[in-house]
Amino acid sequence: GAVVSQHPSRVICKSGTSVKIECRSLDFQATTMFWYRQFPKQSLMLMATSNEGSKATYEQGVEKDKFLINHASLTLSTLTVTSAHPEDSSFYICSAVGETGYNSPLHFGNGTRLTVT
Amino acid sequence: DQQVKQNSPSLSVQEGRISILNCDYTNSMFDYFLWYKKYPAEGPTFLISISSIKDKNEDGRFTVFLNKSAKHLSLHIVPSQPGDSAVYFCAASARGTGNQFYFGTGTSLTVIP
Repeated sequence: GAVVSQHPSRVICKSGTSVKIECRSLDFQATTMFWYRQFPKQSLMLMATSNEGSKATYEQGVEKDKFLINHASLTLSTLTVTSAHPEDSSFYICSAVGETGYNSPLHFGNGTRLTVT
Repeated sequence: DQQVKQNSPSLSVQEGRISILNCDYTNSMFDYFLWYKKYPAEGPTFLISISSIKDKNEDGRFTVFLNKSAKHLSLHIVPSQPGDSAVYFCAASARGTGNQFYFGTGTSLTVIP
């Protein structure tokens, strides 16, 4: 099946620093990638949608200047958490859709546990 | 506004019995539904999907049922195995929304050996 690789799986950083998370589609071209955030015991919250070569579309309430998303190629999207604060600590998951047609399942990365101290 | 709801946060089932996980949705435009399985500290894994033109889709031990009039879908796992213990999310999408998926809050399934 389709594989999405997310790196790093776990990162601890100090408050005020920036952290970059990578999401790669390994065996397919991802026309669209999604970034989610999951709080404990809660659902996946969609943060933004990115299409290759264009600006990401952010969901309401998500600060685009804080969560920078770059989808530079059909196999790579990055999420940069800028000037991280302890409240940004969370589990971040990316997903990708390969086919451009409808009714294609999302394929998820394994997530990144971010802890801001 | 939660458009996809899983009202049971947890479920315990004996090994070998049937597990039934339920999901309700409010948006009548949804026409593609999926179930994902998630272990702690991992990303969700796609399990099974169903489009609105069907009312049942089966894949091995997993069957998804869709009741469009009730805006309800369910996932049946039979027989349940201890390895099935995980959090299960249902998700839905609608044509024309750019592959945007809406997720339920998840149901934690525990299969007791």
